[in-house]
Amino acid sequence: DIQMTQSPASLSASLGETVTIECRASEDIYNGLAWYQQKPGKSPQLLIYNANSLHTGVPSRFSGSGSGTQYSLKINSLQSEDVASYFCQQYYDYPPYTFGAGTKLELK
Amino acid sequence: QVQLKETGPGLVQPTQTLSITCTVSGFSLTSYYMQWVRQTPGKGLEWMGFIRSGGSTEYNSEFKSRLSISRDTSKNQVFLKMNSLKTEDTGVYYCARGGIAGFDYWGQGVMVTVSS
Repeated sequence: DIQMTQSPASLSASLGETVTIECRASEDIYNGLAWYQQKPGKSPQLLIYNANSLHTGVPSRFSGSGSGTQYSLKINSLQSEDVASYFCQQYYDYPPYTFGAGTKLELK
Repeated sequence: QVQLKETGPGLVQPTQTLSITCTVSGFSLTSYYMQWVRQTPGKGLEWMGFIRSGGSTEYNSEFKSRLSISRDTSKNQVFLKMNSLKTEDTGVYYCARGGIAGFDYWGQGVMVTVSS
């Protein structure tokens, strides 16, 4: 199974700041990567798929990049509504699909 | 619009069977994979299994033979059944749509507590 290692586990940032979250796969996943946002008490919501494609309706301040085993999610100009946990998921080699442990983003 | 909603028991006793129904609207089950994912304090987000648009299934080996996924396309429903429940199965269970480019829609989830 492909293991997904996400960092950092938690992050504190100010409004307007740019934030980057990293995800490393245990082997090449050929851009088969998605990012999700989960607000407290809610289900995960797809932000990015195919490593860098924005899901419908997602604000353009979110972007994804990377290749091979290293991927990142960037949030430009952090807004208060971006406070949430973020998860990466690989779907290149399934089953099983595997998720990162998550990054909890808070406001400073 | 696309909607998914899970319904199931809030409390299940250890060793018993969990049954959850996912009712969908706004799309056809014969056009999409449907996934089951759970979120537990111990393991975070964990993929459990899926049923393909054609009706075949795949399961996470972590659940071995405990898990079964099925559907009723006439009722727009997908079913999860998992037996031999343990306290560590306590968590939120989600159904979600998709699979080849992420899971694009999720249900609200159903909280399941395994306790006597």
